[in-house]
Amino acid sequence: QKEVEQDPGPLSVPEGAIVSLNCTYSNSAFQYFMWYRQYSRKGPELLMYTYSSGNKEDGRFTAQVDKSSKYISLFIRDSQPSDSATYLCAMTGGNQFYFGTGTSLTVIP
Amino acid sequence: NAGVTQTPKFQVLKTGQSMTLQCAQDMNHNSMYWYRQDPGMGLRLIYYSASEGTTDKGEVPNGYNVSRLNKREFSLRLESAAPSQTSVYFCASSENPMSNQPQHFGDGTRLSIL
Repeated sequence: QKEVEQDPGPLSVPEGAIVSLNCTYSNSAFQYFMWYRQYSRKGPELLMYTYSSGNKEDGRFTAQVDKSSKYISLFIRDSQPSDSATYLCAMTGGNQFYFGTGTSLTVIP
Repeated sequence: NAGVTQTPKFQVLKTGQSMTLQCAQDMNHNSMYWYRQDPGMGLRLIYYSASEGTTDKGEVPNGYNVSRLNKREFSLRLESAAPSQTSVYFCASSENPMSNQPQHFGDGTRLSIL
């Protein structure tokens, strides 16, 4: 079993839709959770950074962590064509750092 | 504030040639990393340097060597390039190794080996 599982998509939504991106993990030592956005031909860019369980909101983006279920989510409200990118989850704890393989998102105008 | 800078951005090599990928960060981070990213495989750690003067193997180190030149710079060398090393290579840095701090990435080097 992989440490971090992420559905690769691709996911295609109309502009204005709410997008839900998810990752599951197996290691209960993970305590810090991140979401990165990667545009085509660019490096991953840190989008959200959260600790332990709960929600964190930043503009149109909300990161949610459920440690009891080992499940994290990123919600994008009022999605825009500029949100079209690959989104990678990442998590760290116990001196280990793992990335998901990424979910490709296209927002159609 | 450039963050993490990688050079070159693109390179084509022939099998057996050698090459060094350069990376520099200006965030005064202690730790630096080299990843490769392949379709469907995600980011795979090649080598990392927890601090100046130290380097350690990651998940896929075979065929690569690294040098932590100083606190700012971390280079990746392919001594004898193989087609299986065709990939996009990313350098990243963080305040501390494999810890609670997020990693910050450069924009990558796209390497093709014929």
